[in-house]
Amino acid sequence: QAVLTQPASLSASPGASASLTCTLHSGINVGTYRIYWYQQKPGSPPHYLLRYKSDSDNQQASGVPSRFSGSKDASANAGILLISGLQSEDEADYYCLIWHSNAWVFGGGTKVTVL
Amino acid sequence: QVQLVQSGAEVEKPGASLTLSCKASGYTFTDYFLHWVRQAPGQGLEWMGWLNPLSGGTNYAQKFQGRVTMTRDTPISTGYMELSRLRSDDTAVYYCARSYDSSDEAFDIWGQGTMVTVSS
Repeated sequence: QAVLTQPASLSASPGASASLTCTLHSGINVGTYRIYWYQQKPGSPPHYLLRYKSDSDNQQASGVPSRFSGSKDASANAGILLISGLQSEDEADYYCLIWHSNAWVFGGGTKVTVL
Repeated sequence: QVQLVQSGAEVEKPGASLTLSCKASGYTFTDYFLHWVRQAPGQGLEWMGWLNPLSGGTNYAQKFQGRVTMTRDTPISTGYMELSRLRSDDTAVYYCARSYDSSDEAFDIWGQGTMVTVSS
């Protein structure tokens, strides 16, 4: 089982909300991790969006719209990136990232398609 | 402005070594860790390790230990990543990125990437 698991793809309509999950291995507790989220468009490097550990430990990257937000679902042992009011420009790959066992670990990424 | 500018594309043969560079500007080079991340064609992101430009200290991902060496030249604000014994599955875009802390802060600025092709 991978350390971080993300669904391969997600499709949603313009204006809708998209909830991207990053599920942690069952042997580790999401509550103890800062989860970082990145957006990557074709041909470009990843772009840092935000960090979320808790409501008191979170960070929005400079210039990132507030319609991108982070949270956690402890029952699912998962981090969540919520994109509200989807726009065509949000079509991209999204990656989660954590620091685990003395290494940085990326999730496999979710491709978001705006229909 | 703050930026990381990487060296150009490379084509190498299996078994060879390569060295990529990453030049920082717009900030104090030694204040931030420098990471290397790669992305094989159509695949996800893979962290390779970090370099502390202040001390020269390194931390390599287990997968790359013994094959990767990260160094720096602080007077010219440039970091380097050498990868040896190249294989075809090392074909990827290689990115450098910075973070204020080695383990607890985001990679907030990324280089533009360097395409490396390993082929006989």
